[in-house]
Amino acid sequence: AQSVTQLGSHVSVSEGALVLLRCNYSSSVPPYLFWYVQYPNQGLQLLLKYTSAATLVKGINGFEAEFKKSETSFHLTKPSAHMSDAAEYFCAVSDQGPGGSYIPTFGRGTSLIVHP
Amino acid sequence: SQTIHQWPATLVQPVGSPLSLECTVEGTSNPNLYWYRQAAGRGLQLLFYSVGIGQISSEVPQNLSASRPQDRQFILSSKKLLLSDSGFYLCAWTLAGAVYEQYFGPGTRLTVT
Repeated sequence: AQSVTQLGSHVSVSEGALVLLRCNYSSSVPPYLFWYVQYPNQGLQLLLKYTSAATLVKGINGFEAEFKKSETSFHLTKPSAHMSDAAEYFCAVSDQGPGGSYIPTFGRGTSLIVHP
Repeated sequence: SQTIHQWPATLVQPVGSPLSLECTVEGTSNPNLYWYRQAAGRGLQLLFYSVGIGQISSEVPQNLSASRPQDRQFILSSKKLLLSDSGFYLCAWTLAGAVYEQYFGPGTRLTVT
């Protein structure tokens, strides 16, 4: 069974500071990993995804994540936070299930707070 | 390009009333479809998913049901709402046949009073 742990339900940074959101996963097979962002009262949007190609994945809005198999981690980073980055961030892991189904497992989410 | 629609955007319903939320996808065929619920301050709870017309899998036993009457239409229903059904309901789709990212609709905010 697969699972995702996001350390810290809230992360607070100053504008311009490094953003680091942590995600650890467990999976019995090589995983597909995703980061999504959710702004208030909106659906989730894909930030980036890892699908067994390059271990350093670049996404939208300056975010990137590094897949580390030995640490079973897929942490999300951004060098310099903007006020507009304030949102909820979800890490997800998935592999293909029976009948062509695809059932991702989401972490509980991390709320990013950016202070001016 | 593909788009996903959900309606209504907000809904206030009394306890015991019925519910029908609709989700439609445009620009793709035979997608996998999903219903999620977000309670306040909590993560995503998968409610139902579907890999084809009339094929519904339930993840959580409750007073909700789902149907897929057409390839790109997914409906979430209830005969009698409970206070605990309040939340933010999200529909999502993904391409079938491999592990792809999900695309989410704008959501429906349901308040049961």
